Amino acid sequence: EAGVAQSPRYKIIEKRQSVAFWCNPISGHATLYWYQQILGQGPKLLIQFQNNGVVDDSQLPKDRFSAERLKGVDSTLKIQPAKLEDSAVYLCASSPPTDTQYFGPGTRLTVL
Amino acid sequence: GENVEQHPSTLSVQEGDSAVIKCTYSDSASNYFPWYKQELGKGPQLIIDIRSNVGEKKDQRIAVTLNKTAKHFSLHITETQPEDSAVYFCGGGGGGNKLTFGTGTQLKVEL
Repeated sequence: EAGVAQSPRYKIIEKRQSVAFWCNPISGHATLYWYQQILGQGPKLLIQFQNNGVVDDSQLPKDRFSAERLKGVDSTLKIQPAKLEDSAVYLCASSPPTDTQYFGPGTRLTVL
Repeated sequence: GENVEQHPSTLSVQEGDSAVIKCTYSDSASNYFPWYKQELGKGPQLIIDIRSNVGEKKDQRIAVTLNKTAKHFSLHITETQPEDSAVYFCGGGGGGNKLTFGTGTQLKVEL
């Protein structure tokens, strides 16, 4: 069974630029999550989708971050404009109808 | 919301010894507690999880124990090997709570 796919794996941008990350969850998983992991910390939930609807986006900085999952399968997370403090690994995870979450390899973002 | 604390932040053991990592949680409604292993440059990998209706779960060299009264749970790795070296994260959630992670433990298994 294929795991969660993410791209790109690495991205370097300058502050105030925009960036987008893509995630394809495990086939059949209705729930999709985006996490931000700052160096030396645990993952922090940004947004949770159930199919194509948002379940929880309470920790998403909505003035600069946006996410969508239009067809209930893959998803994109966008940052516009980026700040230095957005440098982190962005992790996508998916889960079947249980609490168990499976993570992708992540996208390492560096904002200069 | 849930708050999860994890200790120690770093742990160094000799190969073959046991390693124990402890976590506490704040919300008694949480009922799901996973442990993830994260190697450098990779995403977290689920290694074991436990639900609140169980006190202990084992999978080969790995075990997790849960004390609901004290709101703490622990990861036990026996007969450690160099390939066990990684960062380990505990999580707490379920029961209406989103999954919240601890700050991680860097485990180093020395030869």
